[in-house]
Amino acid sequence: DTGVSQDPRHKITKRGQNVTFRCDPISEHNRLYWYRQTLGQGPEFLTYFQNEAQLEKSRLLSDRFSAERPKGSFSTLEIQRTEQGDSAMYLCASSLTATTNEKLFFGSGTQLSVL
Amino acid sequence: TQLLEQSPQFLSIQEGENLTVYCNSSSVFSSLQWYRQEPGEGPVLLVTVVTGGEVKKLKRLTFQFGDARKDSSLHITAAQPGDTGLYLCAGVRETSGSRLTFGEGTQLTVNP
Repeated sequence: DTGVSQDPRHKITKRGQNVTFRCDPISEHNRLYWYRQTLGQGPEFLTYFQNEAQLEKSRLLSDRFSAERPKGSFSTLEIQRTEQGDSAMYLCASSLTATTNEKLFFGSGTQLSVL
Repeated sequence: TQLLEQSPQFLSIQEGENLTVYCNSSSVFSSLQWYRQEPGEGPVLLVTVVTGGEVKKLKRLTFQFGDARKDSSLHITAAQPGDTGLYLCAGVRETSGSRLTFGEGTQLTVNP
């Protein structure tokens, strides 16, 4: 399977703990996005990378959230000192260069539950 | 305020019926996409529309981009249970670079 893969699929943690998620994009894709989705809502943009450069970060994103893409391939999203409000599906998507017809390919997501 | 407003939020119909889902905004978009998402999975791209007034067909699905590029619609003919899912519109605003913004989605249930 050469699609976008995310790990883990599910994560249960206690409030105050740190968690890290990994995303492996489609190999030739240079753009990588992180979105967050809660039940009954559309995905909410968090941040995106072009190669290893983080080009935009949502103003709504707490400083407890940090993302990296060190070699322009896989990416990690870390949440420090988790809160119950962080419970959501975290989606990663990748694409090949931004054009008007940019096509995002999404992974299956990491479902985070903060107890 | 949501940048992209989708209506209806929920839709439950019988197999064989037709339906239309709407996606509206006060902003102009350089492109607009429709995705379908199933529970526990990420969204899957159905179509991209770019030109004002553009109409695209994908089997029983017809997508239209408004003339002013501020709105879009998705029409499904003779819906089937396999069409059940969350339908999301997403757009790239002309003034915000290339980042994709999603609507809240329309949850469609097609009953056999």
